[in-house]
Amino acid sequence: SQQGEEDPQALSIQEGENATMNCSYKTSINNLQWYRQNSGRGLVHLILIRSNEREKHSGRLRVTLDTSKKSSSLLITASRAADTASYFCALYNQGGKLIFGQGTELSVKP
Amino acid sequence: DTEVTQTPKHLVMGMTNKKSLKCEQHMGHRAMYWYKQKAKKPPELMFVYSYEKLSINESVPSRFSPECPNSSLLNLHLHALQPEDSALYLCASSLSLGQGGTDTQYFGPGTRLTVL
Repeated sequence: SQQGEEDPQALSIQEGENATMNCSYKTSINNLQWYRQNSGRGLVHLILIRSNEREKHSGRLRVTLDTSKKSSSLLITASRAADTASYFCALYNQGGKLIFGQGTELSVKP
Repeated sequence: DTEVTQTPKHLVMGMTNKKSLKCEQHMGHRAMYWYKQKAKKPPELMFVYSYEKLSINESVPSRFSPECPNSSLLNLHLHALQPEDSALYLCASSLSLGQGGTDTQYFGPGTRLTVL
């Protein structure tokens, strides 16, 4: 399946610490995207990394992509309580459908 | 305006009711999507509209009926639902259908549906 598999499923950290989430996939990709979802709300697009990119930054977010290992990681630095959310990686399959991974539930404690 | 709006925010309905969910965007996007999301699960694609035509139906039961009256609006008509259909229903839009796999999808806040 092209679906991303994420780990950990849940992550609990203190404010100020860094949070790292990983996504692995099985097929070739054009790009990989990360989304955030606050509890019971819609998803917010965070960042898209193309297959020819190795690293991308956006504010406190850093995404890496290793196509040889078919894996990506999302690093949130200096986390805040407001970062508490579920984080999903997502890939487009050949049929043009966006397929989401199972997600990582991040809890940042004040 | 980078917002996708959905109404209502919450909906409680009986199994014999008919209701509709509404979604609207004014970003000029030509692809619109309905997703269903159960608790602690990722969103699952239901329908995709491209240029107001139904492009993808993920074998969704006929008690869910999508409609795209124009390029800015997307409806989901509900009839004779089951309790297991209770979920968060998310609408999304993108500039075009993701054939090239690069389009960002913008999501609405969702409608929390409870079927009694």
